[in-house]
Amino acid sequence: AQSVTQPDIHITVSEGASLELRCNYSYGATPYLFWYVQSPGQGLQLLLKYFSGDTLVQGIKGFEAEFKRSQSSFNLRKPSVHWSDAAEYFCAVGASNMLTFGGGTRLMVKP
Amino acid sequence: SAVISQKPSRDICQRGTSLTIQCQVDSQVTMMFWYRQQPGQSLTLIATANQGSEATYESGFVIDKFPISRPNLTFSTLTVSNMSPEDSSIYLCSVVDPTANYGYTFGSGTRLTVV
Repeated sequence: AQSVTQPDIHITVSEGASLELRCNYSYGATPYLFWYVQSPGQGLQLLLKYFSGDTLVQGIKGFEAEFKRSQSSFNLRKPSVHWSDAAEYFCAVGASNMLTFGGGTRLMVKP
Repeated sequence: SAVISQKPSRDICQRGTSLTIQCQVDSQVTMMFWYRQQPGQSLTLIATANQGSEATYESGFVIDKFPISRPNLTFSTLTVSNMSPEDSSIYLCSVVDPTANYGYTFGSGTRLTVV
């Protein structure tokens, strides 16, 4: 069975600083990988996904993620964080038509 | 991407009662999914609902507690039965979205509080 680990429960960055959110997965085959963002009281919005091909994936809102098979990782990055990026971020692996989510990372942005 | 309308957006219910949550998609989709997000937690899959067949439940979830209907390719309901305070959660429906290159699109969720 697949699993996802997001090692950082909380991260605080200053506005304008760079961001990297970590995600490690466990799955026996090539995974489908996703990053979602959830703002307070909101549903989930898809930031980006990886199915195959180029391991560096561009998403919405200036986010990107890099798939590294050797490290079983799919870390999310943004070069310059905006205050509106404060939210909960979930990494997920898709397999057998279902998504398995990591525990989430709560991002706080300091002015 | 597909647009998913979920109703109600929130509700406060008495223990022992039931609540039915509706999920309407603006396009036909084969598979619909129901997730639960307990307070401060991640999402857990409750069941997969395919039109014309019984829903498939994940470990820890049973049909008597969470009956699901899927009458057509654009609609599904999830009922939370005989509720207790432990059922207080956000419930979300999701679809595999061909218009989003087969990403999973989520509804805005139903925030349920059981008192």
